[in-house]
Amino acid sequence: KNQVEQSPQSLIILEGKNCTLQCNYTVSPFSNLRWYKQDTGRGPVSLTIMTFSENTKSNGRYTATLDADTKQSSLHITASQLSDSASYICVVSPNTGGFKTIFGAGTRLFVKA
Amino acid sequence: DTEVTQTPKHLVMGMTNKKSLKCEQHMGHRAMYWYKQKAKKPPELMFVYSYEKLSINESVPSRFSPECPNSSLLNLHLHALQPEDSALYLCASSPAGGGARDTQYFGPGTRLTVL
Repeated sequence: KNQVEQSPQSLIILEGKNCTLQCNYTVSPFSNLRWYKQDTGRGPVSLTIMTFSENTKSNGRYTATLDADTKQSSLHITASQLSDSASYICVVSPNTGGFKTIFGAGTRLFVKA
Repeated sequence: DTEVTQTPKHLVMGMTNKKSLKCEQHMGHRAMYWYKQKAKKPPELMFVYSYEKLSINESVPSRFSPECPNSSLLNLHLHALQPEDSALYLCASSPAGGGARDTQYFGPGTRLTVL
């Protein structure tokens, strides 16, 4: 069964600190893996997209990595800001040529002053 | 224009009401999606339109009726909803659907409350 699991479920960090969020998936083969940021009550916003052949992708203070051998991805946030408080969702698209995507449950990040 | 817009932002309706949610994109995307999201849960796919034709219906109850009038617009007609249908309804679009670089762009959502 295709699954995407994220850890931790929630995380509290101090402003200015770095953090790393994890995503483990069983989807194989897959077309792409994406990380989204979702503020409460708002739509998800795309942060990064990686195909199976890519190892890393950066977007400002956000850096995503992908290890296709271990089926793991991580999202590293550098020098966190209060505005980084949100849910971060890992999404994997199976390589079946269709529209369905598999969402992780997300990690809720709280950045404190 | 690089965004997906949704109206209304908030909607409160009774179980006997008929209402519609609207979604619009002008990025030339050919696939459009409706998702339902409950609090602290990931989005759940409801419908997918590809080139204005219904491609996926994830066994959604008939009280939800999607419509795609043209390639830029997507509606979700609501009738005789139940309180458990209260959720954030998200619209998304993608350039084609299923490609290696294909990614979905989400709208801000409509917060629906059914009384």
